[in-house]
Amino acid sequence: GENVEQHPSTLSVQEGDSAVIKCTYSDSASNYFPWYKQELGKGPQLIIDIRSNVGEKKDQRIAVTLNKTAKHFSLHITETQPEDSAVYFCAATSQTGANNLFFGTGTRLTVIP
Amino acid sequence: EAGVAQSPRYKIIEKRQSVAFWCNPISGHATLYWYQQILGQGPKLLIQFQNNGVVDDSQLPKDRFSAERLKGVDSTLKIQPAKLEDSAVYLCASSPLRGRVKKTQYFGPGTRLLVL
Repeated sequence: GENVEQHPSTLSVQEGDSAVIKCTYSDSASNYFPWYKQELGKGPQLIIDIRSNVGEKKDQRIAVTLNKTAKHFSLHITETQPEDSAVYFCAATSQTGANNLFFGTGTRLTVIP
Repeated sequence: EAGVAQSPRYKIIEKRQSVAFWCNPISGHATLYWYQQILGQGPKLLIQFQNNGVVDDSQLPKDRFSAERLKGVDSTLKIQPAKLEDSAVYLCASSPLRGRVKKTQYFGPGTRLLVL
């Protein structure tokens, strides 16, 4: 089955700086890579996703890059704000297959005002 | 559009007791998932339904866990008897189906279970 690794486990940045979270996956059949933000006491919320036919996607301050050859993908948050503080999870799946999400272990991001 | 609804939000039980969780997916979403999230870890799939049929329950501990989605809408997940290691957040998610492709999953707020 799919194995997703995520680094770092914790990340502290000053407000306004950038944050980068990296993930690797093992199954070459995976073709969909979402990122979820989970705040304390809440369920995961989709923030951005990318499909395997695209190398990069941006949405305002958030971007995701995908390197299919190396089987890794990254989340980039620019101009961080205190409300970005949360746990971020990457995931991988095959949407043409079972579509079961395989999650990384999470990154706790703290933005220091 | 209303999101995925789950209840109860919190539950405390003693080991060997039974417990049930309920999920109402986003209207029109054919696929429903139950995940278990242990503290400090990412969610792990327990079972996936498409309409009222089970697609994948390979990770469901069937000696104590059961789930159903009788009318293809709401779903219940049951644990009987509960063990200490079942303490976790149980997340329900749903996704629409476009042809044979299952689309993005949307999660509910979860049910936090503590087994004493």
